[in-house]
Formats: sequence, structure tokens, C-alpha cells
Amino acid sequence: EVQLVESGGGLVQLGGSLRLSCVASGFDFSSYEMNWVRQAPGKGLEWVSYISSTSRTIYHADSAKGRFTVSRDNAKNSLYLQMNSLRAEDTAIYYCARDDSGIAFDNWGQGTLVTVSS
Amino acid sequence: EIVMTQSPATLSVSPGERATLSCRASQSVGNTLTWYQQKPGQAPRLLIYAASTRATGIPARFSGSGSGTEFTLTISSLQSEDFAVYYCQQYNNWHRTFGQGTRVEIK
Repeated sequence: EVQLVESGGGLVQLGGSLRLSCVASGFDFSSYEMNWVRQAPGKGLEWVSYISSTSRTIYHADSAKGRFTVSRDNAKNSLYLQMNSLRAEDTAIYYCARDDSGIAFDNWGQGTLVTVSS
Repeated sequence: EIVMTQSPATLSVSPGERATLSCRASQSVGNTLTWYQQKPGQAPRLLIYAASTRATGIPARFSGSGSGTEFTLTISSLQSEDFAVYYCQQYNNWHRTFGQGTRVEIK
């Protein structure tokens, strides 16, 4: 069974940093592209970041460029999102999602909540 | 950035009735369109990809259609477990934009 488990969320002050993790199991993590998607309270879904299976290709949404960095460690079956210079509008549930060959996000974690406060 | 617009924002439907949800792209995305379902407190679930292909385990009452800029998700006979929020997403480029969602509620 495919499982994605996020962690690392919490309460952080404006301008602070946080590192999210996503541990994968039940599939060959090193063969899949991965993404981070977020959802602000009561709002819709927003794609945040993409990383290829080898980490060679990385994309970030404009809202994340220059502040967030996605990375992975295939030996540890883990995906990461380093978030710096956090803003109030970054408050959201952050999901990691497996990418099925660029076609769809076919498996999602349960999410981790990030709250940025002043 | 490709903007995805869903309508209506909320759809009130009685159990057993048909629901038709729309998604429009600001520019052509071919058939690179995906639909997700999200229930309260849960992560999204993949329903449809490539505009019309059901994901594994998705019941046949869910169907997708369209291409270019206009897409439709149809639920032929709503079951109690189908009341949720539905999102479309394009994957024509790597900025994988979502629509704002359509909430399907019990009438």
C-alpha cells in the first residue's frame, strides 16, 4: 500500500523558517516525481513545488520562488520542503503528492499544518 | 500561468440526480486535465486524468469529457458519499494550476 506521511508543520513566527518532511513507503520512491501542494484554511488547492525522481528538475510556484526549496533523499525515501521568510499567507495544510508521470497526483499524504503568526 | 475557472461554485443536488461540473482553462490545454475529489478533513483523491480516463477504483458513475479549454465532470447518479468538493487541474505545463473548486451539496 502506498503511504505518504508528512511531518514538520507547526506554529512559526513571521519571517521564520520551517522544514517539512514526507516519508514514502509501499512503492519505489526513487522512480517517482513528487510535488508539494498546499491548502489555506477554507480555501482551494495550490501547487507549490515539483521535483523529478533524480532531483535534476525542480519547479516552484511564483509564490514560493526564492523562499522555498524542495529536495529529496531517495536513500531515505523522503521528500523535503525548506520554507524560509515565511509570511502569513503561507499558513496552510501542506500535502506531499506522488506524481504519475506528470499526468496526475495519484497518491497524497494526510497533510501537515503550517501556521505563520505575528 | 494558465488560469482554471470552475463553475458553479456550489451545486445543490438531490441524491440519485445527475451533477454536471464545469472547468474552463484560460488557454488550450489539450486533454491534460485532471479531476480530484476532496471530502472534509481528507486529502484530495484522484478521480479522472487525461480529461476522461477514470483512475483505478473510481466508479463508472463518474465521467469526464472535453478538450482544449472546456471540460466537464459528470456524476450520473449522486450517492451520499459523492457530496464533496471537486477540483480540476491542468498539467499542460509544470505550473500545475487548480481551479477554485465546486462544492456539491445535498439539496
